Amino acid sequence: KAGVTQTPRYLIKTRGQQVTLSCSPISGHRSVSWYQQTPGQGLQFLFEYFSETQRNKGNFPGRFSGRQFSNSRSEMNVSTLELGDSALYLCASSLGTSGTHQETQYFGPGTRLLVL
Amino acid sequence: AQSVTQLDSQVPVFEEAPVELRCNYSSSVSVYLFWYVQYPNQGLQLLLKYLSGSTLVKGINGFEAEFNKSQTSFHLRKPSVHISDTAEYFCAGAGSARQLTFGSGTQLTVLP
Repeated sequence: KAGVTQTPRYLIKTRGQQVTLSCSPISGHRSVSWYQQTPGQGLQFLFEYFSETQRNKGNFPGRFSGRQFSNSRSEMNVSTLELGDSALYLCASSLGTSGTHQETQYFGPGTRLLVL
Repeated sequence: AQSVTQLDSQVPVFEEAPVELRCNYSSSVSVYLFWYVQYPNQGLQLLLKYLSGSTLVKGINGFEAEFNKSQTSFHLRKPSVHISDTAEYFCAGAGSARQLTFGSGTQLTVLP
């Protein structure tokens, strides 16, 4: 089975721009979660999507948004980029069976975003 | 609220020596605990997980971890490390919420 794929792998933007990152989960997985990784804050949960609905959300401003399509692929959008948004953005997929919190999440290689 | 603490930010160890990476969690509900490894410029790879049952969990690449409820710990161990084990290791927990809460990471450096 193919793993989680993320595109693009690297991205350079300037302050004020917006960016869209893409994630394709493992086949059969219906839950997609997004995490931000920075040297200062570590790994932080952004949000989770299941069956095209946001099921859980972390503590990030509204500039961070996402969506999920019917084929479970997910996109994450950041508007009005700030320097502090420079990070590795990781996507993880899991089966997403409702009610189970112990499912293993499988991570993609990440998209490294640099904001200048 | 769920929180995970990794007690050591950096652990240097010589090749073929044993290693222990420490992780403590805090939660008032049942927890599910994970160890992930991250190699440079890569995503996270699952090493092992504790869901329930036996407190000694074996994972990939010769790693194992022991769940200790009384000490709220989930330390990762390997009896003999290799150069290729050099990476950053993350302990994570999933409590009542679906998201993973990660520790701050431990950089394991294996020296020749």
